Amino acid sequence: GAVVSQHPSRVICKSGTSVKIECRSLDFQATTMFWYRQFPKQSLMLMATSNEGSKATYEQGVEKDKFLINHASLTLSTLTVTSAHPEDSSFYICSLQGETQYFGPGTRLLVL
Amino acid sequence: LAKTTQPISMDSYEGQEVNITCSHNNIATNDYITWYQQFPSQGPRFIIQGYKTKVTNEVASLFIPADRKSSTLSLPRVSLSDTAVYYCLVGDQAGNNRKLIWGLGTSLAVNP
Repeated sequence: GAVVSQHPSRVICKSGTSVKIECRSLDFQATTMFWYRQFPKQSLMLMATSNEGSKATYEQGVEKDKFLINHASLTLSTLTVTSAHPEDSSFYICSLQGETQYFGPGTRLLVL
Repeated sequence: LAKTTQPISMDSYEGQEVNITCSHNNIATNDYITWYQQFPSQGPRFIIQGYKTKVTNEVASLFIPADRKSSTLSLPRVSLSDTAVYYCLVGDQAGNNRKLIWGLGTSLAVNP
């Protein structure tokens, strides 16, 4: 299956700053990647679908101006959490679609 | 959208066979059934996928009755390292990710 990496694995930032999370496909060219958010003891919630070379598609209730997604190449999608607040603290996971969905290891964001 | 229902939690002991059943009464004709495993602070990992009858791979078996309204993930001879959350999802194999709904999964605890 496809190998997906995320960077950083965990990040702590101050409220009001922006944080960029990278999602890389190491051995698969992905025209579509997905971004999820998972709060403690809860399930994965799809935030947006990232499309290479075009605008991302956001799920209802997800602010596109707050969660900026850039899918600049077939192997890289980035999620930028702008003006982060403590309630944005969560576990962010990306995935790509191959024969099935392949997930990255996740990024733990803590906003102080 | 196909919704799934699973037990919230299960307990087992090392060496036992564990069967986790998932209900998906509204499964569509072109939907596949996929199971994922997730350890704390990690992205989900694909376990097995099937459409009907029985599928077996090196880690698990998936049993799907003729009406496809439920499925059972069977883990043979579990070990402590199988302690994780197991998610059952139904959706289009072609990867229409927007149709996938992640429930709370089944938290499996394997005891020594």
